[in-house]
Amino acid sequence: NAGVMQNPRHLVRRRGQEARLRCSPMKGHSHVYWYRQLPEEGLKFMVYLQKENIIDESGMPKERFSAEFPKEGPSILRIQQVVRGDSAAYFCASSRDNSYEQYFGPGTRLTVT
Amino acid sequence: DQQVKQNSPSLSVQEGRISILNCDYTNSMFDYFLWYKKYPAEGPTFLISISSIKDKNEDGRFTVFLNKSAKHLSLHIVPSQPGDSAVYFCADSRRSSARQLTFGSGTQLTVLP
Repeated sequence: NAGVMQNPRHLVRRRGQEARLRCSPMKGHSHVYWYRQLPEEGLKFMVYLQKENIIDESGMPKERFSAEFPKEGPSILRIQQVVRGDSAAYFCASSRDNSYEQYFGPGTRLTVT
Repeated sequence: DQQVKQNSPSLSVQEGRISILNCDYTNSMFDYFLWYKKYPAEGPTFLISISSIKDKNEDGRFTVFLNKSAKHLSLHIVPSQPGDSAVYFCADSRRSSARQLTFGSGTQLTVLP
């Protein structure tokens, strides 16, 4: 399966803990996007990365959230000191050469207790 | 200020009939509109897109129409099948904003057998 892979699929964290979400793009794709979907809402853009570079992080909360896409390995979305409001589905998408077509992974459902 | 709006949260259609899903937008500076289908607990799946210079694009049972004067687009599914039951999102893509997708809030389509 050469699709976008995300893990874990479900993640439970207590308030104050750290959450790490991983995304492996489709083979041949070097552009990664992260989106968040809150309950009963559409997906909201968070950050756009290429290998080793953050291109656009205009949708990222200013504090506690960070993202990286290292030369080797998956893209990581990191949320420090999680709060209940961070509970959401986090989706990663990848594209080839900044194409408008983005292909999504299955998502990570984060629950903060 | 929501730039992409899906005003119908739900739609029910009889199997074999036409499903029409609607989307309105406020910002005319887009390059493409895309439609995604999403099943519960899965990531969005790309369905069909339309360029800003076109007014129609067709792919099998799916046709998207773009009315630039009304800032409106619609997705037609003919004939509708029970497997089409899902949440449908429209999203715009702009080169000027690093290709991030701006999603509507979605429409739940239910196709009744």
